[in-house]
Amino acid sequence: GAVVSQHPSRVICKSGTSVKIECRSLDFQATTMFWYRQFPKQSLMLMATSNEGSKATYEQGVEKDKFLINHASLTLSTLTVTSAHPEDSSFYICSARFPTGDINNEQFFGPGTRLTVL
Amino acid sequence: DQQVKQNSPSLSVQEGRISILNCDYTNSMFDYFLWYKKYPAEGPTFLISISSIKDKNEDGRFTVFLNKSAKHLSLHIVPSQPGDSAVYFCAASRTGNQFYFGTGTSLTVIP
Repeated sequence: GAVVSQHPSRVICKSGTSVKIECRSLDFQATTMFWYRQFPKQSLMLMATSNEGSKATYEQGVEKDKFLINHASLTLSTLTVTSAHPEDSSFYICSARFPTGDINNEQFFGPGTRLTVL
Repeated sequence: DQQVKQNSPSLSVQEGRISILNCDYTNSMFDYFLWYKKYPAEGPTFLISISSIKDKNEDGRFTVFLNKSAKHLSLHIVPSQPGDSAVYFCAASRTGNQFYFGTGTSLTVIP
């Protein structure tokens, strides 16, 4: 299957700092990428839909000024957690939607990034 | 509002037996469904999918059944293997839109 990478896999930062997480589709061009967040023992919650070349669409309750998403190319989307606080500590996962074919609705997930804010 | 529900948080099955994981959804507009497998601290891995025009899809040891009238889908794993131990998420969407995930079922296959 298609490969999606995320960097970094783990990050620990101090409260008030900003953290950038990268999501790359390695062997296909993804016009749409998604950012999810998972709290312990809870489901994946969609945060935002990122479309290449346009502004991200945020889900209700997600602060767009806090979670900045940039999808500058067909293979890269970034999520920046600005002024991070301990409650932002979570597992962040991106996915990229395969653009064509029978699996055009399938998403390939990155390995996730564990963010810990001290 | 949880549109996709997995009411069993955990399931234990003996190796070689059948594992049945269940998932219910509330939105009748959903027309595409997926099952994902997830190990701790890793991203989900696609397992199997089914569209609403079918009621069954099989891939090796994995079979997904869809009952549209009941808004219910299930994943059957047979025979279950210890390596199948993981958290399984079902997800549903309307074609072209985002997926909604269930809360997951932690499967333990006992050797």
